[in-house]
Amino acid sequence: SQKIEQNSEALNIQEGKTATLTCNYTNYSPAYLQWYRQDPGRGPVFLLLIRENEKEKRKERLKVTFDTTLKQSLFHITASQPADSATYLCALALGNNNDMRFGAGTRLTVKP
Amino acid sequence: IAGITQAPTSQILAAGRRMTLRCTQDMRHNAMYWYRQDLGLGLRLIHYSNTAGTTGKGEVPDGYSVSRANTDDFPLTLASAVPSQTSVYFCASSSRTGRNQPQHFGDGTRLSIL
Repeated sequence: SQKIEQNSEALNIQEGKTATLTCNYTNYSPAYLQWYRQDPGRGPVFLLLIRENEKEKRKERLKVTFDTTLKQSLFHITASQPADSATYLCALALGNNNDMRFGAGTRLTVKP
Repeated sequence: IAGITQAPTSQILAAGRRMTLRCTQDMRHNAMYWYRQDLGLGLRLIHYSNTAGTTGKGEVPDGYSVSRANTDDFPLTLASAVPSQTSVYFCASSSRTGRNQPQHFGDGTRLSIL
């Protein structure tokens, strides 16, 4: 069956360090992969999209990689700040255009 | 501020009652979606609509119905609520259908079925 797994439920790091979150998938061949941020009590907010033919995508302090051989995406936040504390979700489309599947998320806490 | 408005923000409902969750967007997006979010399971798609007048089933559609009479509104109805439908419900939209389209989410409706 198809699965999306994010490496851990929670990740704690010190301010200034780089946070690395992992999204693994099985039995998918996604053309695109998306990352979202979700704060407590709020809806997810879109951050980045990466295509299967892109190895890496950057936006300010964020970097996403996409390895279709390993079936894995890595999400990096460099020079992390306490304001980066949130849950981060990866998502990819299942075959047809409307069926987006989300991982359960990784809750990141950046400590001052 | 442009975006998605969901109502109510929270509700406690007796099992067996009928409930409609409202969702309105002012971005003129063609596609709209309903998800439920449960601890440890992530977001799961209930129903979607590619454009006004059309709807489709997602991963977990049983017990739910939707309609899309116009571009802006996409209500979700629980005909006879059951405790397993206790969840946080999110409405989302995208400018058009497609795997490369970012989705914009509302802030959710927290629903408890007793």
